[in-house]
Amino acid sequence: GQNIDQPTEMTATEGAIVQINCTYQTSGFNGLFWYQQHAGEAPTFLSYNVLDGLEEKGRFSSFLSRSKGYSYLLLKELQMKDSASYLCAGDSGYSTLTFGKGTMLLVSP
Amino acid sequence: DGGITQSPKYLFRKEGQNVTLSCEQNLNHDAMYWYRQDPGQGLRLIYYSQIVNDFQKGDIAEGYSVSREKKESFPLTVTSAQKNPTAFYLCASRTRTDTGELFFGEGSRLTVL
Repeated sequence: GQNIDQPTEMTATEGAIVQINCTYQTSGFNGLFWYQQHAGEAPTFLSYNVLDGLEEKGRFSSFLSRSKGYSYLLLKELQMKDSASYLCAGDSGYSTLTFGKGTMLLVSP
Repeated sequence: DGGITQSPKYLFRKEGQNVTLSCEQNLNHDAMYWYRQDPGQGLRLIYYSQIVNDFQKGDIAEGYSVSREKKESFPLTVTSAQKNPTAFYLCASRTRTDTGELFFGEGSRLTVL
């Protein structure tokens, strides 16, 4: 099985940078997903890391260290619309994804 | 446009009633999933299916049932045996169970009165 841990809540200011951490313990590991979810809506895909290192996509970047069982999502130049829940999900490569409980990010002016 | 369609978006039911949530995808994905989301609980897996006419229980299958008679469709029935059914239900699909991102429908919010 898999165990995914991430902080429950974070706050940041518009224009700032925020890093959301995720640690995982798994019996099998294929990669790690990050999803964004606004209240009452479906999660939307942000990134998928398979190899160690940083992957950048515009204002969002995601990092993975397989040896440490650790990932983070980096959000730059924060905007008010980035206020959402960010879900970390481990992919065992077998059948399903295991989701963390999500990190609620609140961006203030 | 390809995607996943869930219906209804909002549903109210009385205690003791069964209710079926619809999920249809036109992405030609083999794998389909049902998740339940409660505040502070993240997404919990109810059932998943890797192929037509086959499905497996997830972590919280008790009180739920599914069918997979067609590749495109994976309906979820919330039965009266489910003790606390009020939740946000999300259907998802994936190319296969071992690869690719998970695509989600818009969700169905079930409230038991």
